Order: sequence, then C-alpha cells, then structure tokens
Amino acid sequence: TQLLEQSPQFLSIQEGENLTVYCNSSSVFSSLQWYRQEPGEGPVLLVTVVTGGEVKKLKRLTFQFGDARKDSSLHITAAQPGDTGLYLCAGADDMRFGAGTRLTVKP
Amino acid sequence: DTGVSQDPRHKITKRGQNVTFRCDPISEHNRLYWYRQTLGQGPEFLTYFQNEAQLEKSRLLSDRFSAERPKGSFSTLEIQRTEQGDSAMYLCASSSGEGRAKNIQYFGAGTRLSVL
Repeated sequence: TQLLEQSPQFLSIQEGENLTVYCNSSSVFSSLQWYRQEPGEGPVLLVTVVTGGEVKKLKRLTFQFGDARKDSSLHITAAQPGDTGLYLCAGADDMRFGAGTRLTVKP
Repeated sequence: DTGVSQDPRHKITKRGQNVTFRCDPISEHNRLYWYRQTLGQGPEFLTYFQNEAQLEKSRLLSDRFSAERPKGSFSTLEIQRTEQGDSAMYLCASSSGEGRAKNIQYFGAGTRLSVL
C-alpha cells in the first residue's frame, strides 16, 4: 500500500488569497488524481497527472506532479468561497486516498 | 445516465442489527469500488469488483462485511451485527476499467450510517 500524506490538514484563508496544498509519498506513482469533496457528497475528480514534472491548469487551479512522481501540489490563485471543500489526492494504482486538506475560504 | 446512485442516503440502526446498502454504477462501467469515510478523513478503500468478480478486499473489511455484485451491474454491501464503530459514510465509485480513463472513478453521494 502506498501511503499518501497531505498537508496542511486544515487551511482557512480570506477570499482573494493564494494557497498551495501538498500530497507526498515515499512511493512512485504511475499517476495521481486530485478530487474535491463537498459536505454530504462524494468526491469529484478534478484532474489526473501522469507524467513527472507535468503541470495542468484548470481555471484558477494549477496542479503539478513531481519529477520523481512521488509528490504533487495544487495551487489555487485568488481563492473564492466556492473553492471551499475537502481536497483529496489518490494514487491511481491502488485507489488509496490521502486524508485530505480541508479548505475554507471566507468571504 | 445520471451517474452513480447509492441507496439509502441515510441509515440509522441499532447496534447488533444488519444493514445492506446498494450501489448502482454508471452503465457499462466494469469496475465498482466501495470505500468508507469517517469525519475528517479521506475515503478508505474496502473492496472492488471487476464485473462480478471481487478482486481485492482490504484488511479493514472484517468478517462482518460482505459485498456482492452478482450480475456485474449493481452491488450491495452488507454489514452484519453492526457496531458503533461502523458509523461512517459508505461511498461507492465506478470506473470504466478500460483505456486511458480506466482509473477515473466517479463517486456516488454515499450512504451515511449511524449506529446507535
């Protein structure tokens, strides 16, 4: 089992601020997935990163996969209250999730 | 297709009772997964099916838990003799299992179980 550690566990910021959350492992992944989960709902896939060093952008969200394919980051620019949620990373190889970063964006 | 459906959305039961949850995956998705999620944690993998075959079970899955997918379509997760520690959100997901999208999982809204 490939353990995924996410940091920070909680993050509370003001609208308009930038933030970065991290997903780290000692294992190499063929690909990593990022999901967002809102209260009372299942996770929704945001992106899959496959190639080491890959950068993917989804509007104000920028995802990066580490060169060694052991870690990934999610950067949000100019956060909005609608970005509030639990951000989860998961290894596509074994369907294991990290514990997530719970983000709160205050208006 | 409206996505992955789970039923019921909420279940309250007394300790010692048996409960069964149902998951209807996206049509034509070969893979179906069950997860358990407790407050403040990410989903914990329980088991998954490729068509009707149960290919992997987590060590978290005690003997009181059993999952089936008899015809390779919907699946059921049964918990026997429920304990208070079983209280959690039970999530189901499906994926095509084929091609580039094979590992992209689509989740249902979950069944929230409360054991009193």
